[in-house]
Amino acid sequence: DQQVKQNSPSLSVQEGRISILNCDYTNSMFDYFLWYKKYPAEGPTFLISISSIKDKNEDGRFTVFLNKSAKHLSLHIVPSQPGDSAVYFCAASTGNQFYFGTGTSLTVIP
Amino acid sequence: DTGVSQDPRHKITKRGQNVTFRCDPISEHNRLYWYRQTLGQGPEFLTYFQNEAQLEKSRLLSDRFSAERPKGSFSTLEIQRTEQGDSAMYLCASTLPYGFQETQYFGPGTRLLVL
Repeated sequence: DQQVKQNSPSLSVQEGRISILNCDYTNSMFDYFLWYKKYPAEGPTFLISISSIKDKNEDGRFTVFLNKSAKHLSLHIVPSQPGDSAVYFCAASTGNQFYFGTGTSLTVIP
Repeated sequence: DTGVSQDPRHKITKRGQNVTFRCDPISEHNRLYWYRQTLGQGPEFLTYFQNEAQLEKSRLLSDRFSAERPKGSFSTLEIQRTEQGDSAMYLCASTLPYGFQETQYFGPGTRLLVL
């Protein structure tokens, strides 16, 4: 069973606009959430994280929002840049194990 | 370079052969994870180590798979009698030792193709 889901396999956004990537989870015991970015032929690179005690965390152009009641988190990238084109994975943790979504491929169009 | 490294980056083998992959974590990280990633999927947890102790194994890790971290530094993942279904990217990640909430840092992965 997939405990972390990314229902949009792909997303295209114009350069300079906002990119919004979504992620849903089923396990209410998850207490830490992360977003990773992956380029082809490379391992995932950590982007931003959020604890379950918060509902927002911001780092430069990247903001992660957590809605615990809806078991939903999202990653906002503003403004989007062509270099942001990659596959984005969300992940959730209960402590020792990390569960990943299937990824969303973001294309930022110049 | 102080990141996580993996060797080899690519491996092609014939069905039935044994393969071994190596992971060198970030030096001060005491937790090390192995994941498998297939096309269109996210990384799937296989096993993890706290120093040299293997603390948890996924049910995905069949008896053909074995992992070691003999001195609490580098780790190896061996697959015996490989099958075509083992073809995947094998990722290693290490985490910072302190704090309740960990952030994993991934290596570049080893892509395995079983013919």
